[in-house]
Amino acid sequence: AQKVTQAQTEISVVEKEDVTLDCVYETRDTTYYLFWYKQPPSGELVFLIRRNSFDEQNEISGRYSWNFQKSTSSFNFTITASQVVDSAVYFCALSDVHPGDNTNAGKSTFGDGTTLTVKP
Amino acid sequence: NAGVTQTPKFRILKIGQSMTLQCTQDMNHNYMYWYRQDPGMGLKLIYYSVGAGITDKGEVPNGYNVSRSTTEDFPLRLELAAPSQTSVYFCASSYAGRWATGSNQPQHFGDGTRLSIL
Repeated sequence: AQKVTQAQTEISVVEKEDVTLDCVYETRDTTYYLFWYKQPPSGELVFLIRRNSFDEQNEISGRYSWNFQKSTSSFNFTITASQVVDSAVYFCALSDVHPGDNTNAGKSTFGDGTTLTVKP
Repeated sequence: NAGVTQTPKFRILKIGQSMTLQCTQDMNHNYMYWYRQDPGMGLKLIYYSVGAGITDKGEVPNGYNVSRSTTEDFPLRLELAAPSQTSVYFCASSYAGRWATGSNQPQHFGDGTRLSIL
């Protein structure tokens, strides 16, 4: 069975600090996908990134960066120079591959989320 | 281009009533998903579909039914509403094509339907 653990329930930082959100996953599959989503106070879900299990390259997008390490089953998310607008709940998710099409994600499992508060 | 549209945004049902949550997307995405989010929790996959006429169960399918007669629409049906189904429901879609790496092929989410069963 798949499992995603986001051990940090809540994090509070002051604006301009860097912050890392941890995500540890469990799966027996060799092929899988990992995701990060943002849910601001307004409630909508915003897709941030998707990685497949064969691509361990770190990714940077503006102030966001992701560190994927298969050896430790982790997919951590770092926000550099945090801003008040970054305040949200962040979810990490793991998907297996679709049984009829192994190039794409199938069933997904979400962590319970990390609530990030960035204070001015 | 409206993206993923869910209706209604809010609904209160009585125990035992039935209803259909509507979801439509105009991006020609082949994959569509239904999730539920209980307070303070992450999303749980109810059902998903990889194309018209094909649906699969997710983690929590009991008490729900889906159909996918067209690429655009993926309605979620509650036959006998129960208090345990009080939740926020999200529909999502994505385009699944060739094997891809990196951060492309995002999932697009609707704004959610807040459902209360009393």
